[in-house]
Amino acid sequence: KAGVTQTPRYLIKTRGQQVTLSCSPISGHRSVSWYQQTPGQGLQFLFEYFSETQRNKGNFPGRFSGRQFSNSRSEMNVSTLELGDSALYLCASSYNLQGTRADTQYFGPGTRLTVL
Amino acid sequence: QKEVEQDPGPLSVPEGAIVSLNCTYSNSAFQYFMWYRQYSRKGPELLMYTYSSGNKEDGRFTAQVDKSSKYISLFIRDSQPSDSATYLCAMTWGKLQFGAGTQVVVTP
Repeated sequence: KAGVTQTPRYLIKTRGQQVTLSCSPISGHRSVSWYQQTPGQGLQFLFEYFSETQRNKGNFPGRFSGRQFSNSRSEMNVSTLELGDSALYLCASSYNLQGTRADTQYFGPGTRLTVL
Repeated sequence: QKEVEQDPGPLSVPEGAIVSLNCTYSNSAFQYFMWYRQYSRKGPELLMYTYSSGNKEDGRFTAQVDKSSKYISLFIRDSQPSDSATYLCAMTWGKLQFGAGTQVVVTP
């Protein structure tokens, strides 16, 4: 079974620009979560989508948004990029996220975003 | 205070030694406990998961959960240089929470 794929793998943008990252979950997985990982803050939860609806949201500003399509693929968008947005953005998929065994999340390789 | 606390390390051990990692947590609602391994510039990969208190063994890896103390551990026996990575604990009751990750370095 193919794993979680993320595109692009690397991205360089300048301040003020916007960026869209893409995630394809494992086949059959309906939940997609996004995380930001930085050396100082660790792995921080951005949001989770399930059946095209945002089900959970972390403490990030409105510049960070996402969506999920009917095939469970998901995109994350960051507008008006800031230097502090430089990070590894990870996507993870699971069957569901309701506190059961099926919560186990499988991560993609991430997109490394550098904001200059 | 964070819900999940994990010492960031680095933890340096010689090859063949036992690596001992742990996390503490404050939310007694957590039911499932996981350990992820993350190599540099890669996404985390699931190593082990456990449900409630007890031990679980998988090859050289043993995961322990003590819900009464809100404490989980991961032991790696006969450590190898290829075990050098960051290990993240994670736990969930419907919302997944990660520890900060512990960097482990196994020296030949």
